[in-house]
Amino acid sequence: EAGVAQSPRYKIIEKRQSVAFWCNPISGHATLYWYQQILGQGPKLLIQFQNNGVVDDSQLPKDRFSAERLKGVDSTLKIQPAKLEDSAVYLCASSLDLTGNTIYFGEGSWLTVV
Amino acid sequence: AQSVTQLDSQVPVFEEAPVELRCNYSSSVSVYLFWYVQYPNQGLQLLLKYLSGSTLVKGINGFEAEFNKSQTSFHLRKPSVHISDTAEYFCAVSEQSGYSTLTFGKGTMLLVSP
Repeated sequence: EAGVAQSPRYKIIEKRQSVAFWCNPISGHATLYWYQQILGQGPKLLIQFQNNGVVDDSQLPKDRFSAERLKGVDSTLKIQPAKLEDSAVYLCASSLDLTGNTIYFGEGSWLTVV
Repeated sequence: AQSVTQLDSQVPVFEEAPVELRCNYSSSVSVYLFWYVQYPNQGLQLLLKYLSGSTLVKGINGFEAEFNKSQTSFHLRKPSVHISDTAEYFCAVSEQSGYSTLTFGKGTMLLVSP
């Protein structure tokens, strides 16, 4: 079974530029998550989708971050404009349902803002 | 809201020695508990999880953890570590509610030396 796919794996951009990350969850998984992991910290939830609807985006900095899951499968996370403090690993994850009792993570997209 | 505390940021240990990584959580409702491992430049891999039933949970790579409700702990143990166990270990919790997301601790770096 294929896992959660993410791209690009690595990205370096200058501050005030924009960047987009793509995620393809495990087939059949209705719930998709984006987490931000800053160096030395645990992952923090940015946004959670159930199919193509947003369940929780309370910790998403909406002035610069946006995410969508238009057809209930793939998802894109965008940052515009990027700040230095956005340097982090962006982890996509998926699960079958909303219970959260088994969540699978992708390899992550590593962002460096200079 | 739930929270997780991992008391040790780093645990150095010699190869073939036993190890315990500590995790305490806080929640006003019943929870699910998880340990994830993150190898350098990789995503998160599920080691084990407690959903219900026996409080002693066995996972992959010889790890086990014990859920202690009275002490709100979920410590991870391995009787004999290998060099290849060197990685960051994250404890996480989710509430047993209608929908829930993972809240992570800050992680413990396990450093195994020969």
